[in-house]
This record gives sequence, structure tokens and C-alpha cells, in this order.
Amino acid sequence: GAGVSQTPSNKVTEKGKYVELRCDPISGHTALYWYRQSLGQGPEFLIYFQGTGAADDSGLPNDRFFAVRPEGSVSTLKIQRTERGDSAVYLCASSFQGPYNEQFFGPGTRLTVL
Amino acid sequence: AQKITQTQPGMFVQEKEAVTLDCTYDTSDPSYGLFWYKQPSSGEMIFLIYQGSYDQQNATEGRYSLNFQKARKSANLVISASQLGDSAMYFCAMRAPTGANSKLTFGKGITLSVRP
Repeated sequence: GAGVSQTPSNKVTEKGKYVELRCDPISGHTALYWYRQSLGQGPEFLIYFQGTGAADDSGLPNDRFFAVRPEGSVSTLKIQRTERGDSAVYLCASSFQGPYNEQFFGPGTRLTVL
Repeated sequence: AQKITQTQPGMFVQEKEAVTLDCTYDTSDPSYGLFWYKQPSSGEMIFLIYQGSYDQQNATEGRYSLNFQKARKSANLVISASQLGDSAMYFCAMRAPTGANSKLTFGKGITLSVRP
């Protein structure tokens, strides 16, 4: 079956602009996660949805970052007034209630803020 | 708070040999899960193996096995019979408490290069 998909694969924007990153999870997966991976580092947690609601948003760095999942499937990560420090790969993952609850990751969106 | 430590520099292994990738962790939760993921140059994270803190036996999945030493808080990944396609970044991660959908805490990763 189809895996987690993310669009766009690459996004280049200018400092101060607004961007939206989209994640389409595996069908039937109720949990959805956003992570950010900077060069040479492991992924860092941003936010986690169970269904439509944000169950844990403790990783969002500041109020410029916001995410939604209005119908419990597709999620959008929104970044306002982008800064150069926001440049990273944004990874989305989804999981279901299985024996390991392992997370299945998408290919990521590489965001570059000029 | 949870912490994962991966301190090995880039690792090299000869094709068909075994290699061990180190991971130590820290958590105050008695119930936790440990994961290893592979990230090839394409960027997608691939789940390899899982070890629960209460599992009596070390986890194995094909050529992957986990050397889980709970008292030492280590969860080293062993890859047997290395293949050229094993060349990638490898990340150790933890979820605490386990049993629920919650965030993963990742280490910095280890680069593995398999030589022909």
C-alpha cells in the first residue's frame, strides 16, 4: 500500500514569508507526528495528533509554528514569518495501534529559507 | 526527560562482516521502548527493530539484532553479514512511556559505510 507522502519535496522561500507543508499519512493510521531534522542531527519532535486533535505540541519552538489535522487524515504544518534558522528537513510520520506502535516516516520536505 | 546518546564517529565495515552500532539511553520511566531506524541518502526513515523495556529476550529481525543491557542502559544494534545497501545513517530512538502513541526521542545518529 501507499506510504506516508509529503508535499512539496523541496521548498525555497524568503525570510519573512509564510509556508505550508503537507503530510498525507498511511490510510487508517490515527496518529500523526511532525519532526524537524537539521543537518547532521537526529529528528526532533514538533507535534503529535491523535485523530483531529493535537495530543502533544510541546515540541513547537514558538508561536510562528502551527499545525492542523481537520479531518483526522491529512495534516498541514504552517510556519509564519519564516527565519533562516527554520531551514531543515520536516518529517512527517504516522502510526497505528500495533504491537510496537512504530512510526512510518515520509520522505520529508526540505525547507530552505533565504 | 529522555535522552539518547550515540557517540561513535563514522563506522566502516567490510562487506559480509558483522558490525555493532552503540546506543545508550536515559529515562526515569520504568516502561519504555527502544527503536532503531535506518536513513539512507534518499532521506526516508526506515524502521528496523524494536525492544521493549520488559522484554525478556533481545529482539531480532532478520540480520538485525539488538544487544539490550538494561542495567547499563544500552541498546546496541548488531548487523550481521553486512551488505553494500546497509550504508546509511542509523538512529536509535526511545519512546517513554511505552504502550501508547507518543513522541520519539532520537540520538544524533551514526554513519555506517560498508566497503566491498
